[in-house]
Amino acid sequence: AQKVTQAQTEISVVEKEDVTLDCVYETRDTTYYLFWYKQPPSGELVFLIRRNSFDEQNEISGRYSWNFQKSTSSFNFTITASQVVDSAVYFCALSEANTNAGKSTFGDGTTLTVKP
Amino acid sequence: DGGITQSPKYLFRKEGQNVTLSCEQNLNHDAMYWYRQDPGQGLRLIYYSQIVNDFQKGDIAEGYSVSREKKESFPLTVTSAQKNPTAFYLCASSTIQQGGTDTQYFGPGTRLTVL
Repeated sequence: AQKVTQAQTEISVVEKEDVTLDCVYETRDTTYYLFWYKQPPSGELVFLIRRNSFDEQNEISGRYSWNFQKSTSSFNFTITASQVVDSAVYFCALSEANTNAGKSTFGDGTTLTVKP
Repeated sequence: DGGITQSPKYLFRKEGQNVTLSCEQNLNHDAMYWYRQDPGQGLRLIYYSQIVNDFQKGDIAEGYSVSREKKESFPLTVTSAQKNPTAFYLCASSTIQQGGTDTQYFGPGTRLTVL
């Protein structure tokens, strides 16, 4: 069964600190996608990144970076030099190609608070 | 502009009434989804549809119904059978890839309150 675990329910940091949000997934498929979404206080989910199971390259986009490790089934998200505007709920999601095709499973989310 | 619209943004309903939430997309996506989010919790899938005139139950379909008569539209009806309907409802759409469901794009959500 597909499952996504975000063990950190809430994280609080001070502006300019680095912060890593953890995501661990379970799947029996060899082909799948992983995603990160951001949900600001307005409520709408904003897409951040997609990674397919065959691409383990880490990715950096400005202050954001993602570390995908199939060996540990993890897809962690790091924000460097955090800012108050980064305060939001962040969701990790998994989409399988076969077993549960057509569905995505979301983690319970990590609430990040960045204090000035 | 391409995107997903949901209406209304806030909805109040009396107990025992059915209510329909609208979701429209102009992204030409084949797949559409409805999620429910309760305070402090993640997203739970209610229904999804990969093609017109076809849809599947998600993890919490009881008390809800949907239709997919047009590619652009996927309305959700919250029936009186849903015991605890007060929640935030999110609609999403995506293309379909061989590797799994592609990136989902979300609407702004509808906050339903039962009085």
